[in-house]
Amino acid sequence: DTGVSQDPRHKITKRGQNVTFRCDPISEHNRLYWYRQTLGQGPEFLTYFQNEAQLEKSRLLSDRFSAERPKGSFSTLEIQRTEQGDSAMYLCASSHGQGNASPLHFGNGTRLTVT
Amino acid sequence: AQSVTQLDSHVSVSEGTPVLLRCNYSSSYSPSLFWYVQHPNKGLQLLLKYTSAATLVKGINGFEAEFKKSETSFHLTKPSAHMSDAAEYFCVVSDPISGYSTLTFGKGTMLLVSP
Repeated sequence: DTGVSQDPRHKITKRGQNVTFRCDPISEHNRLYWYRQTLGQGPEFLTYFQNEAQLEKSRLLSDRFSAERPKGSFSTLEIQRTEQGDSAMYLCASSHGQGNASPLHFGNGTRLTVT
Repeated sequence: AQSVTQLDSHVSVSEGTPVLLRCNYSSSYSPSLFWYVQHPNKGLQLLLKYTSAATLVKGINGFEAEFKKSETSFHLTKPSAHMSDAAEYFCVVSDPISGYSTLTFGKGTMLLVSP
């Protein structure tokens, strides 16, 4: 399977703990995106990378959130001092090239539950 | 700012009858518009996209959508529903102000198909 891969599929953690998610994009894609989806809502943009550069961050991305893409390939999203409101599905997507011609390909997501 | 309104949170149809999922958008500039589908426990899959070419766009699985600038609409249709079409559908907009780099999702429409 050469699609976008996310790990883990599910994560249950206690409030206050740190968690880290990983995303492996489609190999030839230079753009990588993180979205968050809560129950009953559409996905909301968090941040995106072009190669290793983080080009845009949403206001939703508080100081407790950090994303990296050190070598321009896989990416990690870390949440520090998790809160119950962080419970959501975290989606990763990748695309090739620029502009509106290249659609996003999404992974199956990591579902985070903060207890 | 760009936004998307999906007019129905749920749509119920019988197998073999037409499907209509409504979407209105708001964008200050010429937008790109997409429909994505999300099956339970699966990643988001692109159904079709509009990027200022033909206003009637054909997608996968027999779906199509028509871009109507005068009505700011991008409704999704299918002539005959199949049981496997049951899923959640998201209307999505991006615009050149964001460099088409970020997508704004609607809240989704759950399509229910009965035998």
